[in-house]
Amino acid sequence: EDQVTQSPEALRLQEGESSSLNCSYTVSGLRGLFWYRQDPGKGPEFLFTLYSAGEEKEKERLKATLTKKESFLHITAPKPEDSATYLCAVQGSSGGGADGLTFGKGTHLIIQP
Amino acid sequence: KAGVTQTPRYLIKTRGQQVTLSCSPISGHRSVSWYQQTPGQGLQFLFEYFSETQRNKGNFPGRFSGRQFSNSRSEMNVSTLELGDSALYLCASRLAGGRAYEQYFGPGTRLTVT
Repeated sequence: EDQVTQSPEALRLQEGESSSLNCSYTVSGLRGLFWYRQDPGKGPEFLFTLYSAGEEKEKERLKATLTKKESFLHITAPKPEDSATYLCAVQGSSGGGADGLTFGKGTHLIIQP
Repeated sequence: KAGVTQTPRYLIKTRGQQVTLSCSPISGHRSVSWYQQTPGQGLQFLFEYFSETQRNKGNFPGRFSGRQFSNSRSEMNVSTLELGDSALYLCASRLAGGRAYEQYFGPGTRLTVT
């Protein structure tokens, strides 16, 4: 069974204070690891897909990295509008190719001005 | 391009009733998945449909069912509602096939069971 654990559960930063969110996973044959952002009352918004260890992707102040056991979402010089819940999800190959994503419970990030 | 739409956005039902939720995917997306989101369990996969066929199902009881129409629109039905079914129900669509499994979510339907 695929499992995803995110830490910390909540993180409060000052504007401009860089940090990283962690996503640890166990999966049978990783087909993809995904990061989403979710604002209150809205559906998750797709951010990144990572496929193999060593891969990195960037978007504005966000950078996602992947190893064989975990992924990090680095936030550089965050702004208050980066406040949201960040969700990590994996897709494994155990289910024959049509599995839904397995999500972590998210990191609730608050950026204070 | 319009995003994923879900109707209704909010719903209040009584225990024992049934409910049907609707989802229209992004134009051109043929796969639709449904998820349940609660504060305690987070986002949990319900099922995925592609070409009107259910391709996979999560660990939910048979009270949860769905279907997909020829235009890729999907509906989810929950029968004999229980208090624990109160949740945000999210629909996500994606281009089927290929390497990517990038899903795009709708805003969700907030179901409250009293």
